[in-house]
Amino acid sequence: AAGVIQSPRHLIKEKRETATLKCYPIPRHDTVYWYQQGPGQDPQFLISFYEKMQSDKGSIPDRFSAQQFSDYHSELNMSSLELGDSALYFCASSPGSAGEQYFGPGTRLTVT
Amino acid sequence: SQQGEEDPQALSIQEGENATMNCSYKTSINNLQWYRQNSGRGLVHLILIRSNEREKHSGRLRVTLDTSKKSSSLLITASRAADTASYFCATVRYSGGGADGLTFGKGTHLIIQP
Repeated sequence: AAGVIQSPRHLIKEKRETATLKCYPIPRHDTVYWYQQGPGQDPQFLISFYEKMQSDKGSIPDRFSAQQFSDYHSELNMSSLELGDSALYFCASSPGSAGEQYFGPGTRLTVT
Repeated sequence: SQQGEEDPQALSIQEGENATMNCSYKTSINNLQWYRQNSGRGLVHLILIRSNEREKHSGRLRVTLDTSKKSSSLLITASRAADTASYFCATVRYSGGGADGLTFGKGTHLIIQP
C-alpha cells in the first residue's frame, strides 16, 4: 500500500539559510499535518491543512510557513534557519479532517 | 507540564516478559492513541481507544483507559526483541477547526533484552 512520501530524507543547511521540505500524502487523503521532533524529544505539532486550507496551528515559528497545493501535496518552508531547528520533521496525512493520521518516514534536517 | 506524560521514561526487560507503560493527560478527550517509533524512524499507529471504552486489545497489545484519572496504560505481552522502540501516547488537540494535530507525551523507551 502507498505510504506518505517525504523529501528529501536528509538535509544539511547552514545557519540563516532556507529549507523546503515536501510531503506527498497517501492517495485520496486530503489532510496533511506537520510535526517537529528534536533529539530525544516527543513530536511537536506545527500546522495542518484540510482541503488546501490551513486548519490547525501549533507551535510553528514565524520563520516557518507551509501550504497545501491543488494535488494535496504540502511544503514546509523554513527561513533564517537556526541551530535549534535541527530535528526530524514528520508529515502525516489522513482521509478527512478527523481520520487516523499516517506518518511519513520524516526528513532529518541538520543546521550547522 | 505537557499533555500526555508517560512513565517510565525508560524500561528494560527480558524477552518474553510483559511490558507496561503509563500515560497521563490533562484535558478532556474523545480518544487516546498509542504510537511506536523505532530509533529515528517514522511513527506507527498501534491502537486507538475511545473515551467510552475502558479496555481494548489488539494482538499482544492491551490498552486501558481511565478517564476519571485521566490515564491510560499500554501492555505488551510476551515481548520480543523487535518490540524495542519508543512508545508514545497521543491525544487530539481539538482546535474546533478540524484536522486537529496530536499532542504527544514524552514517550517510554522500551528495550527488550534477548
